[in-house]
Amino acid sequence: DAMVIQNPRYQVTQFGKPVTLSCSQTLNHNVMYWYQQKSSQAPKLLFHYYDKDFNNEADTPDNFQSRRPNTSFCFLDIRSPGLGDAAMYLCATRYLLNTEAFFGQGTRLTVV
Amino acid sequence: EDQVTQSPEALRLQEGESSSLNCSYTVSGLRGLFWYRQDPGKGPEFLFTLYSAGEEKEKERLKATLTKKESFLHITAPKPEDSATYLCAVQASEGSNDYKLSFGAGTTVTVRA
Repeated sequence: DAMVIQNPRYQVTQFGKPVTLSCSQTLNHNVMYWYQQKSSQAPKLLFHYYDKDFNNEADTPDNFQSRRPNTSFCFLDIRSPGLGDAAMYLCATRYLLNTEAFFGQGTRLTVV
Repeated sequence: EDQVTQSPEALRLQEGESSSLNCSYTVSGLRGLFWYRQDPGKGPEFLFTLYSAGEEKEKERLKATLTKKESFLHITAPKPEDSATYLCAVQASEGSNDYKLSFGAGTTVTVRA
């Protein structure tokens, strides 16, 4: 059974049109992450939460924002997508510092 | 800043031809090193966690080892179903970003029958 669920799996959006990606988890983990992964590159951390404590990476563009209304859900908002934002977006959860992170299947974002 | 470098970028193997993947890291203090497998178009799938130098973990044809500066993922007698990208990630033990997981770019392994 899927434990970290990302919706949609594929998203096509127009240049400059706001888009929201969602992530839900059934694991009740405190930590949630959003990563951006471009082809043949390392997943790049955008944000992470410990409960409601929010951590924004210094090089995450202002165009990207995130919300975590409760433990189970987390959203990634891209306010004005550019062609360079086309990528796979990965959500992950984690229970403790020393434990592994569990990833969703990702959302492939295409910007046209 | 934490740095994770994986080599080689790509590895083509014949079925049964054993090989090793390398993950070298630079962190202020290592709390854990994680290996993941990623199939095309999917999210990473957890394989192993290593916490201290000298530690080893095994699962089927995969074995992960850790030193103070690098980790190796050994693939013994690989099969075509072992074809995937293998990612390495590190968790540092110091600083305000204690939950940050930093990834390498991965090694893409292709195993031919």
